Amino acid sequence: GQNIDQPTEMTATEGAIVQINCTYQTSGFNGLFWYQQHAGEAPTFLSYNVLDGLEEKGRFSSFLSRSKGYSYLLLKELQMKDSASYLCAVLDSNYQLIWGAGTKLIIKP
Amino acid sequence: TAGITQAPTSQILAAGRSMTLRCTQDMRHNAMYWYRQDLGLGLRLIHYSNTAGTTGKGEVPDGYSVSRANTDDFPLTLASAVPSQTSVYFCASSDGGQDIQYFGAGTRLSVL
Repeated sequence: GQNIDQPTEMTATEGAIVQINCTYQTSGFNGLFWYQQHAGEAPTFLSYNVLDGLEEKGRFSSFLSRSKGYSYLLLKELQMKDSASYLCAVLDSNYQLIWGAGTKLIIKP
Repeated sequence: TAGITQAPTSQILAAGRSMTLRCTQDMRHNAMYWYRQDLGLGLRLIHYSNTAGTTGKGEVPDGYSVSRANTDDFPLTLASAVPSQTSVYFCASSDGGQDIQYFGAGTRLSVL
């Protein structure tokens, strides 16, 4: 079966750095997405990786290793507004997104 | 630009009743999707449409139907609702299969 694993919840301090991991086993791979979802709101796109390596976008970076079935999202200089769930999703061989359950990130002052 | 509009925002529905969740996009995207989101689970694909006039089944299609008469609209119908269909429903669209999906604000449905 297809499976996306990410931690259920993480806590970090304002101003710090946090890394959210995602491991996947899917039928085929056509890219990996990270989305942010604030409570009660819609998911919004953060990053996309299809090749191995690091993609940097401001305070957020995303890393992919296809051979290990592994990705992480790195958030720097954490702000209170970063408190949200972070969803990892893999585009499978049918070009359908398979979603992880999400990691709830709690930022403490 | 409105993006994707879903209606209603929330609904309480008696079991056995039918209901249509509406979804309209103004981005002229080819592909549209319906997901449900339940606590502790990832978003699960119900139905999708790669282009107007075509639809396909996702991971959890039973009890749901869709149509795609034009580019902009992608309604989701529950023919006879059951309590297990209590969920938050999100509509999304993208330019194509590999592109970013943009989501509507969601419909919170409770079936009692």
